[in-house]
Amino acid sequence: QVQLVQSGAEVKKPGASVMVSCKPSGYTFTGYYIHWVRQAPGQGLEWMGWINPDSGGTDYAQKFQGRVTMTRDTSISTAYMELNSLTSDDTAVYYCARNSDYGYGDYWGQGTLVTVSS
Amino acid sequence: DIVMTQSPDSLAVSLGERATINCKSSQSVLYSSDNKNSLAWYQQKPGQPPKLLIYWASTRESGVPDRFSGSGSGTDFTLTISSLQAEDVAVYYCQQYYSTPYTFGQGTKLEIK
Repeated sequence: QVQLVQSGAEVKKPGASVMVSCKPSGYTFTGYYIHWVRQAPGQGLEWMGWINPDSGGTDYAQKFQGRVTMTRDTSISTAYMELNSLTSDDTAVYYCARNSDYGYGDYWGQGTLVTVSS
Repeated sequence: DIVMTQSPDSLAVSLGERATINCKSSQSVLYSSDNKNSLAWYQQKPGQPPKLLIYWASTRESGVPDRFSGSGSGTDFTLTISSLQAEDVAVYYCQQYYSTPYTFGQGTKLEIK
């Protein structure tokens, strides 16, 4: 069965960086894009971008351009999302999701809470 | 960017009654080449990730109960729960995947009356 397992919760200080990992299983890692979506406390869903695990190609939402980097390590079938220059507004649960081939996420990770606090 | 607007923001429906959630996009998400609308619906319960319910505006994901249905085309879409069950209490989101950034609606909170 398809599963996406994310790394654990993080607490960071303003100005720091955070890296969240996402390890899918149950399918060929390089066969499907991975989305990253975040959700601030009590708020809605915000699409951050996606990565093609096969080529490493990425597409970031303009809001995060210059501050986010999505990468992957095909040797261990893991995707990463790094966000820099953190502020309290970046406090959120970060999700990875498998792209269905068409743009919607059909399987989601459990989420990683990132708390930014001084 | 395509703006997705849901209505209402919250909704209370009696058990066994119909629930209807609307979603409007700021531009058409219909691909004329194949007549498919790039619109998905998700259900999110507290403390859980979103769960895919509907894609291509009206195709039910495998395993989703048939009381959930999606309709609409172009810019106006609807998610209908034909007979509300207690386990349907959740927040529901629409999402367009016509063009990046793949934007979501603000969510509709569904409760039992």
